[in-house]
Amino acid sequence: DTGVSQDPRHKITKRGQNVTFRCDPISEHNRLYWYRQTLGQGPEFLTYFQNEAQLEKSRLLSDRFSAERPKGSFSTLEIQRTEQGDSAMYLCASSFLTSGGASTDTQYFGPGTRLTVL
Amino acid sequence: AQKVTQAQTEISVVEKEDVTLDCVYETRDTTYYLFWYKQPPSGELVFLIRRNSFDEQNEISGRYSWNFQKSTSSFNFTITASQVVDSAVYFCALSEAHDRYQLIWGAGTKLIIKP
Repeated sequence: DTGVSQDPRHKITKRGQNVTFRCDPISEHNRLYWYRQTLGQGPEFLTYFQNEAQLEKSRLLSDRFSAERPKGSFSTLEIQRTEQGDSAMYLCASSFLTSGGASTDTQYFGPGTRLTVL
Repeated sequence: AQKVTQAQTEISVVEKEDVTLDCVYETRDTTYYLFWYKQPPSGELVFLIRRNSFDEQNEISGRYSWNFQKSTSSFNFTITASQVVDSAVYFCALSEAHDRYQLIWGAGTKLIIKP
């Protein structure tokens, strides 16, 4: 079973450009999460999906950020008009929530996409 | 309000020493889950353990052990006979049963193992 994968691993862009990141979760996982992490900090929650539905978005997710999970499998995170403050590691995680919801769903993380905005 | 505190910002020990990383949490829920993740220099967060609030048994996995004490709201992590490969940032996290998507993270403890 392969883990969570993310592409690209590194992205350098100029301020004002748009960027898109992709996340492929562990197969059969129905939940997918996006986080942002800056140096020396813990991950900050951005948004999550259950299947294809985006169920929660953080107030950190400005209108320049959009995430999709069109078929309930892979997800994309797009940042429009990037700013230097967007420079961070973007982490994706996935988990499986049972239909009964009785057990917690452990989040498994991908390697992250490191974004540098010049 | 829920909160996770990792008071140790950085710990440095010599290889083969034992080291304990502290984690103190706050929650009003009676059902909750505690996690430890490891983040090596490569950046990927690696899941180590999950513990639910009804299971106070300590756990041992090789050189790793975890001590969960509800009385002191602590979930400490001990590495026995540390190795250089254990060098990483370790995060403790909490999720509550009513809101399981939300992981509340500690600030992390950077562990440096010197050869």
